Amino acid sequence: AQKITQTQPGMFVQEKEAVTLDCTYDTSDPSYGLFWYKQPSSGEMIFLIYQGSYDQQNATEGRYSLNFQKARKSANLVISASQLGDSAMYFCAMREGGGSNYKLTFGKGTLLTVNP
Amino acid sequence: GAGVSQSPRYKVAKRGQDVALRCDPISGHVSLFWYQQALGQGPEFLTYFQNEAQLDKSGLPSDRFFAERPEGSVSTLKIQRTQQEDSAVYLCASSNGQFLDGELFFGEGSRLTVL
Repeated sequence: AQKITQTQPGMFVQEKEAVTLDCTYDTSDPSYGLFWYKQPSSGEMIFLIYQGSYDQQNATEGRYSLNFQKARKSANLVISASQLGDSAMYFCAMREGGGSNYKLTFGKGTLLTVNP
Repeated sequence: GAGVSQSPRYKVAKRGQDVALRCDPISGHVSLFWYQQALGQGPEFLTYFQNEAQLDKSGLPSDRFFAERPEGSVSTLKIQRTQQEDSAVYLCASSNGQFLDGELFFGEGSRLTVL
């Protein structure tokens, strides 16, 4: 089974509007971390936001927020007030606890296009 | 520079050639990772170093892949007798060793094309 599932290959949003990028995950480990990364055309993976499995509140970082629904095993990224520079690939990723907690498992990504 | 630096950015190799990809992590970062990103996919873990020790190489696709970090800073990923299926972007990342909530800093990657 896929550990990270991103069901939206591509998304379009108008500039200044909000957009939600979906991510579901699969783990039996009670301790895990969820990450979102942005990959522009330059290729670099840029860290956006982190949510720990024991965190009581949803993570927020500026215009980014993570809608964490633990029972549904979902960790959707919400980008508010989209900007043209937000156009990029977005990857959801997970680190599980335990002995291999250094490994990130990534989804296949969602290509976001922000239209003017 | 302040970030993770990778070279070359682009490499074209003929099938059967050996290639070497270099990663210069952020100064002071003890942990270094290599990931492989095939076209249209997310990155996949290849190997992990803590200082000069290679603690996990379970993601290396075959024995043609070899990574080293002899002095605990710069790392080299070597691919021997390249095959077409090796074509991908190879991403290097480093961190300060704090894992579960620690940020990984990625380089821009080395794009390998095997003809």
